[in-house]
Amino acid sequence: GNSVTQMEGPVTLSEEAFLTINCTYTATGYPSLFWYVQYPGEGLQLLLKATKADDKGSNKGFEATYRKETTSFHLEKGSVQVSDSAVYFCALSPSNQAGTALIFGKGTTLSVSS
Amino acid sequence: GAVVSQHPSRVICKSGTSVKIECRSLDFQATTMFWYRQFPKQSLMLMATSNEGSKATYEQGVEKDKFLINHASLTLSTLTVTSAHPEDSSFYICSARAHREAGNTIYFGEGSWLTVV
Repeated sequence: GNSVTQMEGPVTLSEEAFLTINCTYTATGYPSLFWYVQYPGEGLQLLLKATKADDKGSNKGFEATYRKETTSFHLEKGSVQVSDSAVYFCALSPSNQAGTALIFGKGTTLSVSS
Repeated sequence: GAVVSQHPSRVICKSGTSVKIECRSLDFQATTMFWYRQFPKQSLMLMATSNEGSKATYEQGVEKDKFLINHASLTLSTLTVTSAHPEDSSFYICSARAHREAGNTIYFGEGSWLTVV
């Protein structure tokens, strides 16, 4: 079956520290991979995505590379800010067909202090 | 860019009453919308897949008679929680997949906080 596993949080960092949030997946076929961010009390916002192996998604200083050989899509940022404090969800879409829902990891809470 | 809007963002209702949450895709047509439920500090649980013009497909364990989903048009899906109970209190989020020409990306609404008292 399809599943997503994220590192458990919370992750607590100081401002300007390097961030890695690990995400691995299990899927049949060739899924698309996503990172979503949820700020307190809000819905989910798409952070970045990758649709095929070796693609790198990037946005707002965050990056993640689709690694088929390790079935991973780790999220990284070189220098975090207090405003990055949020919950981050790794997700996969088993296919790009219209009726396919996303499968989410459990989420990782990031807390950045100044 | 594409936007999905939910309304209301927060609602409080009494036990036994019904409450409707709307999900609209504002600048694209969505043949399929998805409804999720999120408990505090937990991940999103897919409740059902809403298809325009047909019945929704519910995930195992989700009561279809309690969580009524209607997808009346290509831009609107509604979730009605019927005979609400305090245990139905949760954060409900909808999402919609834009068609291939719009990037085939799934966008999420802002979510709706339901509190049943």
